[in-house]
Parts: sequence; structure tokens; C-alpha cells
Amino acid sequence: ELKVEQNPLFLSMQEGKNYTIYCNYSTTSDRLYWYRQDPGKSLESLFVLLSNGAVKQEGRLMASLDTKARLSTLHITAAVHDLSATYFCAVARRNSGGGADGLTFGKGTHLIIQP
Amino acid sequence: KAGVTQTPRYLIKTRGQQVTLSCSPISGHRSVSWYQQTPGQGLQFLFEYFSETQRNKGNFPGRFSGRQFSNSRSEMNVSTLELGDSALYLCASSGGPGSITQYFGPGTRLTVL
Repeated sequence: ELKVEQNPLFLSMQEGKNYTIYCNYSTTSDRLYWYRQDPGKSLESLFVLLSNGAVKQEGRLMASLDTKARLSTLHITAAVHDLSATYFCAVARRNSGGGADGLTFGKGTHLIIQP
Repeated sequence: KAGVTQTPRYLIKTRGQQVTLSCSPISGHRSVSWYQQTPGQGLQFLFEYFSETQRNKGNFPGRFSGRQFSNSRSEMNVSTLELGDSALYLCASSGGPGSITQYFGPGTRLTVL
């Protein structure tokens, strides 16, 4: 059974600081996703990482993937209040039927950035 | 391009009733996946449809079922509702097999009393 673990689950930090969210998964996978969710809202796609060593950056967020360690990180640089949200990583499980993969999600990291 | 739409947005039902939720994917997308989000269990995959066929299924009881129509719109049905079925039900669409990103709709908030 594929398991995805995120840590920390809760993070309170000050504006201007840097921090990293970690995502470990238990079996091989070929896709790693990061999503953002604001309270009462749906999921917004941030990054899709497809290969070992992949690194993607958007603004103050940078995601990386190490498939050998089964680890992805989401790094926040010089945090601002607007980045306060819950961040989920998700791993795609390959379907032998060839269909789109059901995603297995981590429990999410609730991030609060204080002025 | 319009995003994924889900109806209704909010729903209140009582135990034992059944409910049907609807999802319209992004135009041109042929794959629809459903997820349940609860505070206790987090986000869990229910099932995925492509070209009117269920291609993938999560670990949910048979009370949860779905279907997809020829226009790619999908419905999810839950029969004999239980209190634990209260959740946010999210629908996601993608272009289909090999398509990378799943785009999520706003969700249907189901409350079972």
C-alpha cells in the first residue's frame, strides 16, 4: 500500500524566514504533485515533478524530487503572509489498466505565516 | 477556458438517504476522478473514469458508485448515507491516460445529519 507522509503537519513562521516541508512516500512512483488549499477552497496545482532530480520554482516556492530517497521537498523562501495555506503533496499510483492515476495524498502541512 | 464545475456546492441529507453529486470537467478533458476530504482521513481517492469506463478505484464500500457520460460529465452516488460520509467531495479532471495534471473543482460539501 502506498503511503505518503508529510512533515511538519503544522508550521507557524514569521514573514521573511525560510522553511522546508518534507514529503516521503513508500513505493516507487513516477509523479509527485504539490497542491495548495486555502480554507474552504479547492486544491490549486503548484508543481508536478516527474523525474529524479527535478526542481521547479514559482515565485517564493521551490519543489524538488529525489526518487531514490523517495523524498520531495517544498522550500519556501522569504515567506510572506499570502503563502499561508495548507500544502499537500500527492503521489501518483500507476494503474495497470492505463487509466489516469489515483493520487495518494499526504495529510497536509498547515502553514501560518505571521507578519 | 472554464474550470471544473461541481453541483451542488452544498448539500444536507439525513442518514439512510442517498445522494448524487455532479461534475463537469474542463472542456476537452476526458478523465474524471473523485476524492473525499475529511478532517480525520484527509484526502482519499474514490474512483476515476475515462471514456465512460471506471479505470481505477480506491478503497471505499460499494455504497459509493459513479458513472461517466458520453460528454465526460460524471456523477457520483452515495447510497444509505452514514454520518461518516459527511465530507468535501472533490472532482478532478485531466486529459486522460498519460496526462500529467489533475485540475480540481470547487467541491461539494455534504453534511449528513
